[in-house]
Amino acid sequence: DAGVTQSPTHLIKTRGQQVTLRCSPKSGHDTVSWYQQALGQGPQFIFQYYEEEERQRGNFPDRFSGHQFPNYSSELNVNALLLGDSALYLCASSSLGTGDGYTFGSGTRLTVV
Amino acid sequence: GDSVTQMEGPVTLSEEAFLTINCTYTATGYPSLFWYVQYPGEGLQLLLKATKADDKGSNKGFEATYRKETTSFHLEKGSVQVSDSAVYFCALARDTGTASKLTFGTGTRLQVTL
Repeated sequence: DAGVTQSPTHLIKTRGQQVTLRCSPKSGHDTVSWYQQALGQGPQFIFQYYEEEERQRGNFPDRFSGHQFPNYSSELNVNALLLGDSALYLCASSSLGTGDGYTFGSGTRLTVV
Repeated sequence: GDSVTQMEGPVTLSEEAFLTINCTYTATGYPSLFWYVQYPGEGLQLLLKATKADDKGSNKGFEATYRKETTSFHLEKGSVQVSDSAVYFCALARDTGTASKLTFGTGTRLQVTL
């Protein structure tokens, strides 16, 4: 049974560009959350999607947006990239119905130059 | 707002030594508490959790007890191994359901040597 799958694993972008990161949740999970983990720090909550809607949002600017598809997969989009957006972006899936807890993917390492 | 404070690392121990990583939290209500582990180049893995006061979470020889009176959830292991070398994160979730966001501490790096 596949866990959470994220793509790509690594990405290098230039300041001002836009980026899209992708996440496929664990089978049976319907909720996807995104976290940003800067080097040497703990993950920070960006937002959470359930039933194709953003349900909760952390303290991140509107440059960060997302989407959830009918198959529960999700995308994270970041516009107008800044050097400070360089981080490991983690996707976590869960299920409201089962109390299964959160399963994290291995993340996408984004470097902005 | 909610916050989690962990002891700063790195923590360096010899194999078979006793491990304690301190974690305290600030939150209203009765959050669930978690310990996650991150190995180099990987995502987070749930190590253990506790959902109410006085609960003890345990897994792979690691233990942590939810102490509401001291708002703490310290991680312990009686005898560490080299393979335990990783970064450990304490976290809380406000609700017990899975819809809640996780609030993490800054992490504590553990290095175990032979």
